[in-house]
Amino acid sequence: DAGVIQSPRHEVTEMGQEVTLRCKPISGHNSLFWYRQTMMRGLELLIYFNNNVPIDDSGMPEDRFSAKMPNASFSTLKIQPSEPRDSAVYFCASSLEGGYTEAFFGQGTRLTVV
Amino acid sequence: AQSVTQPDIHITVSEGASLELRCNYSYGATPYLFWYVQSPGQGLQLLLKYFSGDTLVQGIKGFEAEFKRSQSSFNLRKPSVHWSDAAEYFCAVGAGGFQKLVFGTGTRLLVSP
Repeated sequence: DAGVIQSPRHEVTEMGQEVTLRCKPISGHNSLFWYRQTMMRGLELLIYFNNNVPIDDSGMPEDRFSAKMPNASFSTLKIQPSEPRDSAVYFCASSLEGGYTEAFFGQGTRLTVV
Repeated sequence: AQSVTQPDIHITVSEGASLELRCNYSYGATPYLFWYVQSPGQGLQLLLKYFSGDTLVQGIKGFEAEFKRSQSSFNLRKPSVHWSDAAEYFCAVGAGGFQKLVFGTGTRLLVSP
C-alpha cells in the first residue's frame, strides 16, 4: 500500500476562496482523522470518522470548516470561505481501529491563505 | 477528558548523550499510549506503543518508553542520541472510547555536536 495520500501538498489561496483538501486512507483502515498543525496550537484533532461516519467534529473550529467521507477510500476537508488564520499544515491519518491501533499519517497539506 | 501533557517545549542534548522526553497523561482506565516522531516537512511516524503487559516498551531507532501508572507517565528514552534524532516528538493517548488519538503539544529535540 502507498500509505495515506493527501493532495495537494501545498495550497496558496486568497482570503475568501474555497479550499478543498483531499485524503485517501490506507485500504482496510476503518478510522480516519483530520488534524491541523500550527506553531501556536500544536497538533489539533479536527474531526474523525469511523466506518465513514463522522463520530466527533467538536474540534472543527468554525462552520466554515466541513468534512466528508463519501466512501472508505476518500475524504475531503473543505474551508469556505478561507481566512488567513486558517494557514496551517493539515494532516490526514488513518488507522485500523480508532485509537487502539497505530495511526498512519499522510505527508500533509501546507495551506497558506493570503 | 483524556489529555496528554508534554511539559518540555524544547530540549537540547549533546550527540552521544542520553535522552528522556516527558509525557503525562490523564485517563481513568489503562490507556493506549503512543510516541510519534515528526521530521521537518514530514508527517508523523510511530516510534512505539503501549497497550498492556510489560511496562517497558521497545521501539524503532533505539527508543524505549516506560509506562508508570502511579505517575501517569510514559517517558521516552534513548541511551545515546544521534544527530539524525533531531525532530519533534509527540506523545499520544487513545481516547474517546479508544476511537481517537489525542496528541500532546510536542517536544522539539535539538542535538548539538
